[in-house]
Amino acid sequence: DAKTTQPNSMESNEEEPVHLPCNHSTISGTDYIHWYRQLPSQGPEYVIHGLTSNVNNRMASLAIAEDRKSSTLILHRATLRDAAVYYCILRDVGDSNYQLIWGAGTKLIIKP
Amino acid sequence: NAGVTQTPKFQVLKTGQSMTLQCAQDMNHEYMSWYRQDPGMGLRLIHYSVGAGITDQGEVPNGYNVSRSTTEDFPLRLLSAAPSQTSVYFCASSYWTGGPGANVLTFGAGSRLTVL
Repeated sequence: DAKTTQPNSMESNEEEPVHLPCNHSTISGTDYIHWYRQLPSQGPEYVIHGLTSNVNNRMASLAIAEDRKSSTLILHRATLRDAAVYYCILRDVGDSNYQLIWGAGTKLIIKP
Repeated sequence: NAGVTQTPKFQVLKTGQSMTLQCAQDMNHEYMSWYRQDPGMGLRLIHYSVGAGITDQGEVPNGYNVSRSTTEDFPLRLLSAAPSQTSVYFCASSYWTGGPGANVLTFGAGSRLTVL
């Protein structure tokens, strides 16, 4: 699986939108972009995933660049409960080797 | 649905002791896996299984053993604990069959292990 690059940390104000970037310049055509988040002292939880088109769900939106070399996770109105480490991961749906490469992620700090 | 259940939540071992971390899921997922997470780092895959009776090694398998006798359970055994195995361990499961949704992982709450 290809690697991703994320900022170590970001700060945002409560009730404002947050844009979390992810670079994946070596992405292949069959790599899906997955986002997970990990709240303090909890296991990671799935947020969203997509291939080429932008995706929305109840938690967030995923904006994917036209060349697919980068993507942005958008939290439309951050709350204090969104403070977590956010991981951007590439996953080849046809890959029988389940060795997901987890980086250190982006620590999102929400200021009240 | 309980999801993925891990026990124990906390464990302290002495060097050389053995123990088993339990993981159970009630979602009928074919795929199960064990990860470890060290402070400030992402997760690293220890072992995984794509179905009952099938297991394989991940990135950091040394010192750990797994088996998969049922779809629901995937225990992780530490054969002879070492201080380097002090970590937080997470179990995860998902559907294995093809399609983008099959790769969405559901994680347990974690087991914090300290080896003295």
